[in-house]
Amino acid sequence: SQQGEEDPQALSIQEGENATMNCSYKTSINNLQWYRQNSGRGLVHLILIRSNEREKHSGRLRVTLDTSKKSSSLLITASRAADTASYFCAKASGSRLTFGEGTQLTVNP
Amino acid sequence: NAGVTQTPKFQVLKTGQSMTLQCAQDMNHEYMSWYRQDPGMGLRLIHYSVGAGITDQGEVPNGYNVSRSTTEDFPLRLLSAAPSQTSVYFCASSPGLENIQYFGAGTRLSVL
Repeated sequence: SQQGEEDPQALSIQEGENATMNCSYKTSINNLQWYRQNSGRGLVHLILIRSNEREKHSGRLRVTLDTSKKSSSLLITASRAADTASYFCAKASGSRLTFGEGTQLTVNP
Repeated sequence: NAGVTQTPKFQVLKTGQSMTLQCAQDMNHEYMSWYRQDPGMGLRLIHYSVGAGITDQGEVPNGYNVSRSTTEDFPLRLLSAAPSQTSVYFCASSPGLENIQYFGAGTRLSVL
């Protein structure tokens, strides 16, 4: 089974609103990474958060990690139509990086 | 600096044919990996390599072989293609799993 399960599976919001995506995992991790994928394209890295970190920011992105609950969240503030994409969390453990099934975000103009 | 280059971009095979998907990186990264992505799903790890001469299996290795003779290249071989291997294949590289992964643009494979 895939580690890094995400919810919601799909999210539709209006421009300017915030979008929150959640990721849960089952075993211990070294770090957790978030990626973005535009339709038909490859994946682009957004943020990496290490297991000893609780929160990281990058521009309009904020990632939190709660290792006691084995969960992470990605917040995109003041969303734009260009943020429309699939977002994936990936868990790094040992020598493997395993992906969740992703959240499809649609930002309506 | 080209990053991670995958070839071909598209391929159609008949059941039973073999082929090699190429992946090359020019960033001197030790860690390379192959994933497949099926419609509406996340990426599943096929094989990975932590350095030249070292490879290991991921979640879905059956039907695929890999080798890592150089740091730059990590080809993925389909020995006898099956319709179940129809998918989009992504190669990624990084200095290690403590770092971000750089992905290629993908190879879209159809097996008829």
